[in-house]
Amino acid sequence: GENVEQHPSTLSVQEGDSAVIKCTYSDSASNYFPWYKQELGKGPQLIIDIRSNVGEKKDQRIAVTLNKTAKHFSLHITETQPEDSAVYFCAASWVTGGGNKLTFGTGTQLKVEL
Amino acid sequence: EAGVAQSPRYKIIEKRQSVAFWCNPISGHATLYWYQQILGQGPKLLIQFQNNGVVDDSQLPKDRFSAERLKGVDSTLKIQPAKLEDSAVYLCASSSHSGYTFGSGTRLTVV
Repeated sequence: GENVEQHPSTLSVQEGDSAVIKCTYSDSASNYFPWYKQELGKGPQLIIDIRSNVGEKKDQRIAVTLNKTAKHFSLHITETQPEDSAVYFCAASWVTGGGNKLTFGTGTQLKVEL
Repeated sequence: EAGVAQSPRYKIIEKRQSVAFWCNPISGHATLYWYQQILGQGPKLLIQFQNNGVVDDSQLPKDRFSAERLKGVDSTLKIQPAKLEDSAVYLCASSSHSGYTFGSGTRLTVV
């Protein structure tokens, strides 16, 4: 089955700096790569996703890049703000008509310091 | 649209007791998932339903866990008997072509 590794496990940055979180996956059949933000006491919330036919996607301060050959994908947050502090999870999936099972990474605790 | 509803939010039970969690997915979402999230880890899929049929339950410990989805809408997940290692947050999610949404989860503590 799919295996997703995520690094780093914790990341501390100064407000305004950029943050980068990296993931690798094992199953070349995976074609959908979402990123989730999870705040304390809440369920994961989708912040951005990318499909395997695209190399990069950007949404305001958040961007995701995908290297299918190397099976790597990364989350980039620019101009970090205190409200970006949370746990971030990457995931990989093979999307079918019957839904998609997400395999998650182990999470990155991001702390944005004033 | 209303989100994925789960109850209860918290539950504390003793080992060997039984417990049940309830989930109401987003209206019209045919696919429903139960994930287990142990503290400090990413969510792990327990079971996936398409309408009221099971698509994937390969990671469900069937000797103690069971789940059903009545009439293709609400779902319940049951643990009987509970073990200490079942302490976790149990997340329900639903999906359609438009997206995948998680509920806030039920935090289970087994003592």
